[in-house]
Amino acid sequence: GAVVSQHPSWVICKSGTSVKIECRSLDFQATTMFWYRQFPKQSLMLMATSNEGSKATYEQGVEKDKFLINHASLTLSTLTVTSAHPEDSSFYICSARAARTIVLPLHFGNGTRLTVT
Amino acid sequence: AQTVTQSQPEMSVQEAETVTLSCTYDTSESDYYLFWYKQPPSRQMILVIRQEAYKQQNATENRFSVNFQKAAKSFSLKISDSQLGDAAMYFCAYGDDKIIFGKGTRLHILP
Repeated sequence: GAVVSQHPSWVICKSGTSVKIECRSLDFQATTMFWYRQFPKQSLMLMATSNEGSKATYEQGVEKDKFLINHASLTLSTLTVTSAHPEDSSFYICSARAARTIVLPLHFGNGTRLTVT
Repeated sequence: AQTVTQSQPEMSVQEAETVTLSCTYDTSESDYYLFWYKQPPSRQMILVIRQEAYKQQNATENRFSVNFQKAAKSFSLKISDSQLGDAAMYFCAYGDDKIIFGKGTRLHILP
């Protein structure tokens, strides 16, 4: 089946630094990738939709300057948390939709646990 | 905007018994998908079952089945012959262009 690889699986960074999270579709081309955030014992909140070759679409309340999303190729999208603060600590999950299909994303990465100290 | 509501934060069921998880949603669209995802402690999102809104027949995947009531905007998940490995967080989700998740139901399986 389709595989989505997310890296790193966990990261600890100091407050004020930036962190980049990668999401790769390993065996299919993904025109669209979705980034979610999940707080402990809570649901997945959609942050943004990333389309290959164009600007990401952010959900209401998500700071686009803080959470930079780049989708430069059909197999890679990156989320950069800029000037991270402790309140950015969370679990981040990406999901990818295969190209040339109307079927919604069924393929999730394993997530990245971010801890900002 | 679309919303998904799961009114049962936690549920417990005896092993080998049947349990039903509830989900309601709201949308003005006529064409969409509904999903149930399972999230074990590893936090990997696992697709349990999917339903296309245009299909009247309820989806079934082995021990998992849904009761899809489009007019009532209800989409419940029935797990038959519950197993210890079914213990997890279950999320109901709505999708058209993107997927929106409910708050989840934590399912405990009692041995």
